[in-house]
Order: sequence, then structure tokens, then C-alpha cells
Amino acid sequence: EAQVTQNPRYLITVTGKKLTVTCSQNMNHEYMSWYRQDPGLGLRQIYYSMNVEVTDKGDVPEGYKVSRKEKRNFPLILESPSPNQTSLYFCASSLPGAMNTEAFFGQGTRLTVV
Amino acid sequence: AQTVTQSQPEMSVQEAETVTLSCTYDTSENNYYLFWYKQPPSRQMILVIRQEAYKQQNATENRFSVNFQKAAKSFSLKISDSQLGDTAMYFCAFIRLNTGNQFYFGTGTSLTVIP
Repeated sequence: EAQVTQNPRYLITVTGKKLTVTCSQNMNHEYMSWYRQDPGLGLRQIYYSMNVEVTDKGDVPEGYKVSRKEKRNFPLILESPSPNQTSLYFCASSLPGAMNTEAFFGQGTRLTVV
Repeated sequence: AQTVTQSQPEMSVQEAETVTLSCTYDTSENNYYLFWYKQPPSRQMILVIRQEAYKQQNATENRFSVNFQKAAKSFSLKISDSQLGDTAMYFCAFIRLNTGNQFYFGTGTSLTVIP
């Protein structure tokens, strides 16, 4: 089954404690990205990757890091989480080009930083 | 800058009736796609419908159809014969091609279908 898998689905952590949210896709997609969803703001892109070892900032990259060492994985790293990073996070993947513009989303990760 | 505006934070509709969700966007691009995504309480993002900007014909998917007005930069979603399972948050989204397929989302419209 084609899918994007995020882990964990729920996470409560304390300020300053480094954490990683994993994202893996089994569709051999080149493009992967991370979004955060906040009430009244919709989804905003944090980082995206167009292929292995190619990453770039989205609209809200501050406080986040990513890596793309393998095509299937695109982890999101919070080196020193703060309460304003409490949010719902989504990973998404897609193929490049005009004919394949559907994004497949993971199930979401609800992060709370206290 | 690309922006997507959904001016209706909440809407409701009686079961079996028709409802239209509005969306406007702003871009200087000519080559782009527009989408409606549905997010039920499960939080999963589900693609409802997609429209290519270069196509004048409005997209339809079963009970879902769009009214795409390119000059006005408007992209509304019509849901016919509303069902209880349509209760969800609906996001309008815009994508520029060849930029990592970066999506720009609206703030969402929470739709409730009333039995």
C-alpha cells in the first residue's frame, strides 16, 4: 500500500530537549516536505527536498532542521524545541512535474512542547 | 508572493443539500495547479479535487465540482447531495510547479453537515 508514515503520532516534550519526527514514504517520490498546521493559519511549509541531499527552506524554517540522506526518509529535527513549536505536523511526498502534482500526506504528528 | 484566502471559517449545510466553499488566490505565475483537500477528524489530508490552471473546463469528481475563474483568481468548491461523511475541514491549496511542489494553503473552512 502506497503511504507516507510519520512517527510518532503524538509527542509531549519539554523545552530544549532535542527531538526527531521521522517520515518515510514507499512510493519512490523525489519530492518531500514538512508542514505545520496551526488554527487560523492553515498549513505552512517548513522545509522541502527535491531529491537526496537537496533541501531548502519553506516559509517557516526557523527552529527546524531536516536531512535527506535516503530517498524514502525525510526526518524533521527540532534541536531545542520551544512552546511556540507546539503544533500539528505533516510530512508529504510527491513526484515532480505537471502530471503528478498530487501530494500524499502522512497521518500527522501532534507535538506539544511544555 | 503566493497567497490563498478562504473567507469562510465555518459553514454548515443540511444533509442532501448543496454547499459552496469559496477560495481566492493571488499569484503572478501562469503555470500552476489548484486543489481542495479534506481533513476529517482523523486528521488525514485527503485530496478532493484538482484543477490545472491551463484548462478552462471545470474539474468534477462525483459530487464535488469546482468553479474556476482564472481572471478573477477564484476557485470555489461545490458539494452536491451533502453527506454526513463530508463533515471536515476543507483546505484550498495552490502549487507552483518545479519548486519542490511547494503547496500554499488557505486557512481552511470547517464544514458541518447537519442530519
